[in-house]
Amino acid sequence: KQEVTQIPAALSVPEGENLVLNCSFTDSAIYNLQWFRQDPGKGLTSLLLIQSSQREQTSGRLNASLDKSSGRSTLYIAASQPGDSATYLCAVATGKLIFGQGTTLQVKP
Amino acid sequence: SAVISQKPSRDICQRGTSLTIQCQVDSQVTMMFWYRQQPGQSLTLIATANQGSEATYESGFVIDKFPISRPNLTFSTLTVSNMSPEDSSIYLCSVESGHYTDTQYFGPGTRLTVL
Repeated sequence: KQEVTQIPAALSVPEGENLVLNCSFTDSAIYNLQWFRQDPGKGLTSLLLIQSSQREQTSGRLNASLDKSSGRSTLYIAASQPGDSATYLCAVATGKLIFGQGTTLQVKP
Repeated sequence: SAVISQKPSRDICQRGTSLTIQCQVDSQVTMMFWYRQQPGQSLTLIATANQGSEATYESGFVIDKFPISRPNLTFSTLTVSNMSPEDSSIYLCSVESGHYTDTQYFGPGTRLTVL
């Protein structure tokens, strides 16, 4: 059974810091891995999708990596801003999306 | 990309009643999904809804409790039946336009509180 774990559960950093969010999964047989952002009381916004054959994807200040063999992905956020404050979810696609519990990020001005 | 709307955005309901949530997409999509997000928890897939066939339910979810309709390629409904306070959650629909290599797009969610 596929399980997705995100560490840490919560993170608070001062504005301007670079940070890394971690995601691990137990079964490497995935189609892709996606990172989402969820603002309080809102739906999910897709940030990055990494296909199973890819190693990383970049969008602006965000960079996501994927190491299928070790069952790990990281989301790197450069020069964090207060507007980055949200919950970040990773999900693996195995015929359906299986989500981690999320990391709640607070960026302090 | 796909733009998804959900109605209602939120509701407060009494125990024992039912609520139907609507999901509308701005383009034709093959697969639509319904998720539940309980307070403080991550998302759990309830069922997959394909047009012209019965919905496929995940373990722990049954059609009598969560009947789903998918009358066309842009619309779906989820009904939460005979509600109890444990059904208080955010319900989200999502779509995937192609195979599992594509991004899933999510609606804004319906926040349900059952008293």
